[in-house]
Amino acid sequence: AQTVTQSQPEMSVQEAETVTLSCTYDTSESDYYLFWYKQPPSRQMILVIRQEAYKQQNATENRFSVNFQKAAKSFSLKISDSQLGDAAMYFCAYRSWGYGNKLVFGAGTILRVKS
Amino acid sequence: NAGVTQTPKFRILKIGQSMTLQCAQDMNHNYMYWYRQDPGMGLKLIYYSVGAGITDKGEVPNGYNVSRSTTEDFPLRLELAAPSQTSVYFCASSPPRGVVGDQPQHFGDGTRLSIL
Repeated sequence: AQTVTQSQPEMSVQEAETVTLSCTYDTSESDYYLFWYKQPPSRQMILVIRQEAYKQQNATENRFSVNFQKAAKSFSLKISDSQLGDAAMYFCAYRSWGYGNKLVFGAGTILRVKS
Repeated sequence: NAGVTQTPKFRILKIGQSMTLQCAQDMNHNYMYWYRQDPGMGLKLIYYSVGAGITDKGEVPNGYNVSRSTTEDFPLRLELAAPSQTSVYFCASSPPRGVVGDQPQHFGDGTRLSIL
């Protein structure tokens, strides 16, 4: 079974600075997807960015980018020019392409943004 | 375009009571999922369905039941509510891989359930 580990329960960043959230995962599959979801206090699950395992190029979405290291099974999220609206819980998730295409979530990292 | 709709948004139950959490999607997705999120934790899969008439257990199925009679609806039933089932419940849907590209799961807004 796949597992996802987020080792940072909480992180803080100054507004306009850069912060990196860590995520590692364990799997025996070679083809899969990885995601970062943002969960603000409203509890909505908002997709931030995704990475296909067979693509070597790191995904980028505006101020959000990932560092995907497949051999190391590492998938970190970098947030540049942090904004107050980035404050939220961030979840790393692994999506299997086996039966049901299920998601496995990490425990989450709370990101606080200081003004 | 409603996406995934969950009802109710909040509910308080007494121990031993039963209830059904409703989930409906209007995107014609084959795959649907139920997750629970305990305070300060990630989401854990309760049950999932790959199509009408087909359901499978996830990581934490005990104390729950599901049915999938239509593509649109995937209700989750708690038969004998216990305090350990106090949580936030999320429903999600997606097409299978290869249909309309690789689509991520779409989530509902969640149901906060307290059992006292």
